[in-house]
Amino acid sequence: EAGVAQSPRYKIIEKRQSVAFWCNPISGHATLYWYQQILGQGPKLLIQFQNNGVVDDSQLPKDRFSAERLKGVDSTLKIQPAKLEDSAVYLCASSPRGSGGWETQYFGPGTRLLVL
Amino acid sequence: AQSVTQLDSQVPVFEEAPVELRCNYSSSVSVYLFWYVQYPNQGLQLLLKYLSGSTLVKGINGFEAEFNKSQTSFHLRKPSVHISDTAEYFCAVNTLQGAQKLVFGQGTRLTINP
Repeated sequence: EAGVAQSPRYKIIEKRQSVAFWCNPISGHATLYWYQQILGQGPKLLIQFQNNGVVDDSQLPKDRFSAERLKGVDSTLKIQPAKLEDSAVYLCASSPRGSGGWETQYFGPGTRLLVL
Repeated sequence: AQSVTQLDSQVPVFEEAPVELRCNYSSSVSVYLFWYVQYPNQGLQLLLKYLSGSTLVKGINGFEAEFNKSQTSFHLRKPSVHISDTAEYFCAVNTLQGAQKLVFGQGTRLTINP
């Protein structure tokens, strides 16, 4: 079974530029998550989708971050414009249903973003 | 809202020695507890989780953890570590009710010395 795929793996941009990350979850998984992991910290949930609807985006900085999950499969996270403090690893995860807190989340390898 | 504190940011141990990584949580409702491991340049992988029942949970790679409700702890242990256990370990909590969101601790970097 293929795991969660993410691209690109690394990205370097200058502040005020825009950037987009792509995620393809495990086939058949209804729920998709985007996390931000700043160096030295644990992952922080940015947004959670169930199928193609948003369940939780309370920690997404909506003035600069946006995300979509078209057709309930893959997803794109965008930052526009980027700030220095956005330098982090962006992790995508998926789970089969996401309707219960007991589910295991399966993580992709992440995209490491450096904003100069 | 729930929160997690991992008491040690770094833990160095010698190969074949035992190790304990400490985790305390805070929540006003009942919880599910998780340990994830992150190897260098990889995503997070589930080690084990506590949902209900026996408070001693066994996971992959010889790890186990014990849920202690009175002390709100979920410490991770392994009786004998290997070089390959070098990684970052994250404790995480989710809740049975309310806004179910997986909240992670800041991580513990386990370094195994030969």
